Amino acid sequence: GDSVTQMEGPVTLSEEACLTINCTYTATGYPSLFWYVQYPGEGLQLLLKATKADDKGSNKGFEATYRKETTSFHLEKGSVQVSDSAVYFCALKDSGAGSYQLTFGKGTKLSVIP
Amino acid sequence: EAQVTQNPRYLITVTGKKLTVTCSQNMNHEYMSWYRQDPGLGLRQIYYSMNVEVTDKGDVPEGYKVSRKEKRNFPLILESPSPNQTSLYFCASSLLGDNSPLHFGNGTRLTVT
Repeated sequence: GDSVTQMEGPVTLSEEACLTINCTYTATGYPSLFWYVQYPGEGLQLLLKATKADDKGSNKGFEATYRKETTSFHLEKGSVQVSDSAVYFCALKDSGAGSYQLTFGKGTKLSVIP
Repeated sequence: EAQVTQNPRYLITVTGKKLTVTCSQNMNHEYMSWYRQDPGLGLRQIYYSMNVEVTDKGDVPEGYKVSRKEKRNFPLILESPSPNQTSLYFCASSLLGDNSPLHFGNGTRLTVT
């Protein structure tokens, strides 16, 4: 079945440091890929998405590129801020598997210190 | 404002006392789903629905019921809650398209003593 593996946290960075959160996936079809962010006390919200190979999703300074050859969708940001402290989830939707289910990774907690 | 609304935000109850967590969306989404979030386990799907009167089990359906009598509402019912159902619950909805993202509610923190 489909699965998403993302790097275990927690990750602690100083403000203005570079961030990479690794995400790899397995899927039977041609999935769409998503990054969601969960701020403390809130629900998940979509951060960015990519729907086909070589697409780059971007939002709020975050980027991720859909790499079919390595089945990866790593999240990157060049300079993190304290306000980026949150839990980040990688996810895929594989309608080729006959459903519209979203498969999530286990989440990576990011803490950014001043 | 487009949103998914869950109620209540916090709930403390005792073992065996039936409860319902409500979920409503105002975006005319066909797809709705319930997840529970537990430390170290991430998000696990409980039930989902792809349209009115159509519901299906997710990964962890035991001890839960759902109904989808109207498109906008998707309540989660615990007929006889147990302490292992203490968790953070999220309702979500989306259109059925391949690229459609899920929209989440703000969560319901349930404690069963």
